[in-house]
Amino acid sequence: GAVVSQHPSWVICKSGTSVKIECRSLDFQATTMFWYRQFPKQSLMLMATSNEGSKATYEQGVEKDKFLINHASLTLSTLTVTSAHPEDSSFYICSATGQRDTEAFFGQGTRLTVV
Amino acid sequence: AQSVTQLDSQVPVFEEAPVELRCNYSSSVSVYLFWYVQYPNQGLQLLLKYLSGSTLVKGINGFEAEFNKSQTSFHLRKPSVHISDTAEYFCAVSGRAPQGAQKLVFGQGTRLTINP
Repeated sequence: GAVVSQHPSWVICKSGTSVKIECRSLDFQATTMFWYRQFPKQSLMLMATSNEGSKATYEQGVEKDKFLINHASLTLSTLTVTSAHPEDSSFYICSATGQRDTEAFFGQGTRLTVV
Repeated sequence: AQSVTQLDSQVPVFEEAPVELRCNYSSSVSVYLFWYVQYPNQGLQLLLKYLSGSTLVKGINGFEAEFNKSQTSFHLRKPSVHISDTAEYFCAVSGRAPQGAQKLVFGQGTRLTINP
């Protein structure tokens, strides 16, 4: 089956620093990747959709300058949280889909804690 | 636009009892429907999906769901639960597209707790 690997699984960073999260499709070409954010005991909220080689499409209310998304290849997308603050602490999950897929495949998530 | 409502935030059930997790959706276009399970600090695992065809969909771990277009529902059922089924369950909907999966809209989640 399709495997999506997300790295790191957890990260702690100091307030004001930037953190990069990677999302890789290991055995298929991901034409589209999705980035979600999940607060404790809540549902997943879509942050942005990225298509390979194009600029990401951000959902309303998501700061594109704060959450930088790059999808430079068919197997890798990155989310960079810039100048992180404690309120950015959350669980970030990516998913990826190929051109012929009817479902997206999820990574294992990244727990970000900003101190 | 689509929306999903999971009617129960928490469902406690005794081991080996049957369970139903309810999900209703709203959409102005045809949709695909999904159920995912999430264990603590992990990503989502697909239980089952409805794309077209038979309205009764069977998934992994003994789960099944029935698509009811007139009631816009997609309830998840299991005839006999195990302790290991304790987890968060999410119902989700996406639009249909000729190529590639579309973004998912999730319900609020249902916490299933299995008691011995």
